[in-house]
Amino acid sequence: EAGVAQSPRYKIIEKRQSVAFWCNPISGHATLYWYQQILGQGPKLLIQFQNNGVVDDSQLPKDRFSAERLKGVDSTLKIQPAKLEDSAVYLCASSKGLTTDTQYFGPGTRLTVL
Amino acid sequence: KNEVEQSPQNLTAQEGEFITINCSYSVGISALHWLQQHPGGGIVSLFMLSSGKKKHGRLIATINIQEKHSSLHITASHPRDSAVYICAVKSGGSNYKLTFGKGTLLTVNP
Repeated sequence: EAGVAQSPRYKIIEKRQSVAFWCNPISGHATLYWYQQILGQGPKLLIQFQNNGVVDDSQLPKDRFSAERLKGVDSTLKIQPAKLEDSAVYLCASSKGLTTDTQYFGPGTRLTVL
Repeated sequence: KNEVEQSPQNLTAQEGEFITINCSYSVGISALHWLQQHPGGGIVSLFMLSSGKKKHGRLIATINIQEKHSSLHITASHPRDSAVYICAVKSGGSNYKLTFGKGTLLTVNP
């Protein structure tokens, strides 16, 4: 079974530029999560989708971050414009459902904002 | 104060030693996860616990719901166990989401 795929693996941009990350969850997984992990900290949930609907985006900085999962499969997370403090690893995870036990994580995208 | 606290933050051990990593949480939970993250790698789920104890190979995880505390033990530690170990709790309610601790960086020296 293929795991959660993410791209790119690494991205370096200058502040005020835009960037987008892509995630393809495990086939058949209805729930998709985007996390931000700043160096030395645990992941923080940015947004959670159930199929193509948003379940929780309470910690998403909506003035600069946006995410979509239009067809309920793969998802894109965008930052526009980026700030220095956005430097982090962005992790995508998926699970079968909202109440299912295990989240499966992708390898992450390491973003550096200069 | 974080809802999930791990200790220690950093741990260095010699190969073969018995390792314990602790996790305390302050909220009501429906489940607790232990996760492993290697440098530059993704996160792998090790255990999901809601009560008692689970064992997988050299790894043992325990949870005490009344005391809101969990421990992850590694027996006969090996350099390949070197990684960040993260505790995460799943809150109840209609939306089950994970709240993560900051992680414990374990280094096992040969």
